[in-house]
Amino acid sequence: GAVVSQHPSWVICKSGTSVKIECRSLDFQATTMFWYRQFPKQSLMLMATSNEGSKATYEQGVEKDKFLINHASLTLSTLTVTSAHPEDSSFYICSARVLAGKNEQFFGPGTRLTVL
Amino acid sequence: AQSVTQPDIHITVSEGASLELRCNYSYGATPYLFWYVQSPGQGLQLLLKYFSGDTLVQGIKGFEAEFKRSQSSFNLRKPSVHWSDAAEYFCAVGGDTGRRALTFGSGTRLQVQP
Repeated sequence: GAVVSQHPSWVICKSGTSVKIECRSLDFQATTMFWYRQFPKQSLMLMATSNEGSKATYEQGVEKDKFLINHASLTLSTLTVTSAHPEDSSFYICSARVLAGKNEQFFGPGTRLTVL
Repeated sequence: AQSVTQPDIHITVSEGASLELRCNYSYGATPYLFWYVQSPGQGLQLLLKYFSGDTLVQGIKGFEAEFKRSQSSFNLRKPSVHWSDAAEYFCAVGGDTGRRALTFGSGTRLQVQP
């Protein structure tokens, strides 16, 4: 149980295009999902908290117009990188928090984005 | 604000030797503590977690960690390291209320020598 999937697992796009990354909780409901970003050989940095049915909460320094987050259902959150640039190339990881109980989060396998 | 410090960026041990990875945290309330492992290009795998109760926590793959509130530490240990343990290890802290994201340490890269 408690499986989180991400799609795609990797994507290569041209500069200026938009890319959508999906995060799904497969066997549980998650009112809250988190999006992290990880640069090579670095730790995970929180980008935003995705709340089902409401606007996402972005961390300081993260451009909300560039990283669009939608959490339309209890099992799906999407991150859209708009007008991608090479500096957006990174590993994006989502996590989903179980609806009830302790603050235990389950992580997706990550999406490797490369912007040419 | 919560924070996690992993003082060791890189550790090399011989296969079969014991291992201890250090983690210190700062958190204003009761912390939830986690250790994750990440292989290159892969996602995170949860090794173990501490919410409450027994301060010595057993995890997968023979790992254990001990929560020491007085030292604000949650060090990860393994009595005998295997070559397959070579990876990046992250300590993380989170809260017990609200919609709190985890705060990660900077990670410790473990190299295992034959």
